[in-house]
Amino acid sequence: NAGVTQTPKFQVLKTGQSMTLQCAQDMNHNSMYWYRQDPGMGLRLIYYSASEGTTDKGEVPNGYNVSRLNKREFSLRLESAAPSQTSVYFCASSGGQGPYNEQFFGPGTRLTVL
Amino acid sequence: GNSVTQMEGPVTLSEEAFLTINCTYTATGYPSLFWYVQYPGEGLQLLLKATKADDKGSNKGFEATYRKETTSFHLEKGSVQVSDSAVYFCALSRGSGGSYIPTFGRGTSLIVHP
Repeated sequence: NAGVTQTPKFQVLKTGQSMTLQCAQDMNHNSMYWYRQDPGMGLRLIYYSASEGTTDKGEVPNGYNVSRLNKREFSLRLESAAPSQTSVYFCASSGGQGPYNEQFFGPGTRLTVL
Repeated sequence: GNSVTQMEGPVTLSEEAFLTINCTYTATGYPSLFWYVQYPGEGLQLLLKATKADDKGSNKGFEATYRKETTSFHLEKGSVQVSDSAVYFCALSRGSGGSYIPTFGRGTSLIVHP
């Protein structure tokens, strides 16, 4: 059971380049999330998918797009990277719709935009 | 809206000292409450949770009690170890419109010296 996996672990981009961060979970969870973590800011939700086939914006969606490819996979795309998107990105999943379900996090992708 | 406030860090302690990290929340109804821990270079992982008022969550010597009257969920440990050095996040989740979005505090860094 790998849990939540993310690729790549590290990435350096130049301003204007695009990339896709991949996330997959093997726990048969319905809900998946993308967060960014910046020093002193805690976790901020970018997008989430409550179930396969649905996606919704979180707190900081500008500059990002997502795709819920299937129940297992949820990708995050940066179309034109900016230095302000330098951050650590975490994918998470959760088993159900109830508020008592905890989140399971991947190991993170450390992205630097020059 | 929902919010979580936790004490700013870093909290610096000597090994075997008593730990308290304060967490208060604002939410309508009866959210579930969580503490997550993040070790250096890793994603967050659940430490403990409580799903209703007066519940006590506990794990690895850490405890927190869901106090509805004071809207608090303070994290405590009687004797910390160097290996407890990490960032601790308080979080709540509350259902709304068929899905739920967790809300995280900004995190409190704990440094334990030998």
